[in-house]
Amino acid sequence: EDKVVQSPLSLVVHEGDTVTLNCSYEVTNFRSLLWYKQEKKAPTFLFMLTSSGIEKKSGRLSSILDKKELFSILNITATQTGDSAVYLCAVNQAGTALIFGKGTTLSVSS
Amino acid sequence: DAGVIQSPRHEVTEMGQEVTLRCKPISGHNSLFWYRQTMMRGLELLIYFNNNVPIDDSGMPEDRFSAKMPNASFSTLKIQPSEPRDSAVYFCASSLGWIPLHFGNGTRLTVT
Repeated sequence: EDKVVQSPLSLVVHEGDTVTLNCSYEVTNFRSLLWYKQEKKAPTFLFMLTSSGIEKKSGRLSSILDKKELFSILNITATQTGDSAVYLCAVNQAGTALIFGKGTTLSVSS
Repeated sequence: DAGVIQSPRHEVTEMGQEVTLRCKPISGHNSLFWYRQTMMRGLELLIYFNNNVPIDDSGMPEDRFSAKMPNASFSTLKIQPSEPRDSAVYFCASSLGWIPLHFGNGTRLTVT
């Protein structure tokens, strides 16, 4: 069965900490892996990764994919309270819809 | 750009009633997705349209659910009759390809 597993389920850190969120997957016909950030409402797109070892970066957020070991990580450096959200990982398979993980809830305290 | 617009924001209804959720995608996008989100199951795709045609409806839970896209700027998701287990947040998303990049703010449905 195709699946996407995120860890940890939840995380509490202090402002300024660096966090690493994990996403592992077992899917057939892998095409790409996506990260989204969900605050109180709509998920917002962060990154799409298709190739192993190439880091995508946006400000304090970065992500990398390992297609051999079937996982991705999302790093957030110098966390701020505005980073508090649910981070969703999703995998795109050829010819089918995205499969989402259950998400990691990040809480950043000031 | 107003983004993906969903209505209503909240819907509370009694079991057995018909519920209609509405979505206006971003202008020019040719793909539209309906997702359901619950604590237990996370985000699940219900149906995906491309150029107004349903491409993948394998996620529609049962015959009580139906979705239409009569034109490029409007889609509805209908549940008839509704049941308490349908309570969830329903998201609509649109994009130019078949990866949902832009989500609406969702409709929180409560069926009592």
